[in-house]
Amino acid sequence: QSALTQPASVSGSPGQSITISCTGTSSDVGGYNYVSWYQQHPGKAPKLMIYDVSKRPSGVSNRFSGSKSGNTASLTISGLQAEDEADYYCSSYTSSSTWVFGGGTKLTVL
Amino acid sequence: QITLKESGPTLVKPTQTLTLTCTFSGFSLSTSGVGVGWIRQPPGKALEWLALIYWNDDKRYSPSLKSRLTITKDTSKNQVVLTMTNMDPVDTATYYCAHRPLGYCSSTSCYQANWFDPWGQGTLVTVSS
Repeated sequence: QSALTQPASVSGSPGQSITISCTGTSSDVGGYNYVSWYQQHPGKAPKLMIYDVSKRPSGVSNRFSGSKSGNTASLTISGLQAEDEADYYCSSYTSSSTWVFGGGTKLTVL
Repeated sequence: QITLKESGPTLVKPTQTLTLTCTFSGFSLSTSGVGVGWIRQPPGKALEWLALIYWNDDKRYSPSLKSRLTITKDTSKNQVVLTMTNMDPVDTATYYCAHRPLGYCSSTSCYQANWFDPWGQGTLVTVSS
C-alpha cells in the first residue's frame, strides 16, 4: 500500500481558512468513510482531530472540519490561530484491513 | 483516562531484533472491539502504520513489513509487545503505540473505530553499530 498524498506545506494568515488535501485510492480513502486526521506539534505525539471523515472528538475546536469527495479527503481549518501551526497527517483504513498514513503537511501561520 | 507508554532499548545494532513494550491503563484489551496499534516516525519524516492487535487476538501487519513484525498482548499485564527482526539503520525512528477505541453506535447502526486515540509519548530507537 502506498502512502496517501498530501501537500508538503500550506500556509495562511491568522483568521484565514486553509484546506489540506489527502488523496488515496478506491482501496482506502475512496472505499470507506474511515479517514482520520492528526495534528502533531514538534516533539509531541500526534493528536486526533477528525475521525470518520468529518467527526470531531470531544474537546477539538469546531474550527476544524473534514470532508471527502471520491478518493480525496480534506481538512479545513477556519479562523487560523498561531497555535494551529503544526504538522497534519491524514490516515485511512484500507481494503486489506490495515491502515495507511499520508506524507504529512506542514502548516505555517504567517 | 487512557494512557499508553512505550518502553524498550534506545539503541540497537544492525541485524538485531527490536522488542518494544506498550504499557497502558484506562482500558482493557479484553473488551470487545478494542485494539492497540504501533506507528513509527523516522526523524523529520512521516508517520508509518506498523501493526495492530485486537481484543480477540486478531492481528494486522503492514504488508511491507509483515515478514519482520510480530505483535502480541498480555491482557493481565495491560501490555502489548512489538518485535521487529533484522533491524537496519533505516528503521531508526520514534515508535508510538496507540489505542484503537471501542467504536460507537447511532440510533440505527454501530460503527467500528478506525482511528487511534490517544497515543503514547513515543520512544526513539536508533539503529547503529
